[in-house]
Amino acid sequence: DAKTTQPPSMDCAEGRAANLPCNHSTISGNEYVYWYRQIHSQGPQYIIHGLKNNETNEMASLIITEDRKSSTLILPHATLRDTAVYYCIVRGYTGTASKLTFGTGTRLQVTL
Amino acid sequence: EAGVTQFPSHSVIEKGQTVTLRCDPISGHDNLYWYRRVMGKEIKFLLHFVKESKQDESGMPNNRFLAERTGGTYSTLKVQPAELEDSGVYFCASSQDRRRQGSYNEQFFGPGTRLTVL
Repeated sequence: DAKTTQPPSMDCAEGRAANLPCNHSTISGNEYVYWYRQIHSQGPQYIIHGLKNNETNEMASLIITEDRKSSTLILPHATLRDTAVYYCIVRGYTGTASKLTFGTGTRLQVTL
Repeated sequence: EAGVTQFPSHSVIEKGQTVTLRCDPISGHDNLYWYRRVMGKEIKFLLHFVKESKQDESGMPNNRFLAERTGGTYSTLKVQPAELEDSGVYFCASSQDRRRQGSYNEQFFGPGTRLTVL
């Protein structure tokens, strides 16, 4: 699985959009980009995933560059409850039957 | 629908003792995973069950760790004997059958068991 690079921490004002970047320059053609987050004292939570098209769901949007070497997770209206560590994970699409490889993630702090 | 549950939520034991962690996956999920985060480190994969079979146990640190999933329902992770470096948070996750079409079949995580070895 391709390695990812994320900034260690970011701040965002409540109500503003939080844009979390991720670099995955060694991603291969059949690998997807997944985002999970871990809110303090809870287990990780799936947010979104994509291959090469931009994706949106009720939680967030995922923007993947055309060369697929980087992506951005967007939380359109961050709230205090979005304070968490966000993990960008790249792996081949195998449905459920494979492990997740977590990096160090980005600690997002949403403030008033 | 009940989520993934883990028991106990916290466990404090002395070095050399045995501890057994339990995970109850979401009903109907064939895939069950164990992960852990030791202090200051990243979340690391331990192993993956498909029903009662071990699909991937490449992350198990050593033979002091034994995971079972009898009957393909709940799973236990036993640490015997526990060492200081085993302290951390142990997460369990589950997901549906990989062959189910039309969805990613995300992994749903439990709240974790915090293990402290003194």
